[in-house]
Amino acid sequence: EIVMTQSPATLSVSPGERATLSCRASQSVSSNLAWYQQKPGQAPRLLIYGASTRATGIPARFSGSGSGTEFTLTISSLQSEDFAVYYCQQYNNWPTFGPGTKVDIK
Amino acid sequence: QVQLQESGPGLVKPSETLSLTCTVSGGSISSYYWSWIRQPPGKGLQWIGYMYYSGSTNYNPSLKSRVTISEDTSKNQFSLNLSSVTAADTAVYYCARSYYDFWSGYFGYWGQGTLVTVSS
Repeated sequence: EIVMTQSPATLSVSPGERATLSCRASQSVSSNLAWYQQKPGQAPRLLIYGASTRATGIPARFSGSGSGTEFTLTISSLQSEDFAVYYCQQYNNWPTFGPGTKVDIK
Repeated sequence: QVQLQESGPGLVKPSETLSLTCTVSGGSISSYYWSWIRQPPGKGLQWIGYMYYSGSTNYNPSLKSRVTISEDTSKNQFSLNLSSVTAADTAVYYCARSYYDFWSGYFGYWGQGTLVTVSS
């Protein structure tokens, strides 16, 4: 099983600021990495796949980078609707998810 | 726009079988890959497995001995059976669809989720 870790567990950011979230895989997953956003009581929403490709309808302020074992999700200017939990997920092998990073209001 | 809706009992007794159904509207299950994913309360996500309408299935190795995912194309539904449940199987269960019409490994459409509690 490929184990995913995310840091930090919680990130406190002011609206309008930049947020940088990290994800690490226990072994190389190439670019087979996706990011999701989940708000309380809702299903996850796909943001990024292929490490850096935005899904349909996802605003340009969301960007992904990385390959191999180290990945980053950047939200360039946080909007009120962006405060949520973010999960990374690898699909190089059978899918596994990270534990999540909660982005809350500073 | 495709929509997914989970249904099934919200309470299951230990050692029994958890059975859920996902009803798909706005698209046919005769294409794309259809998965079940679960999330214990306050915790992260775990992929359970997928099915493809051809009868192809693939399961999380940690759950494989207890899981069956099947389809009912006449009703445009697919189902999850998880046997011999314990309290550790208490979770919100989501059904989800692959983003593309091949096994891309990530999930573009999700149901709203249904909470299943395992308790006597």
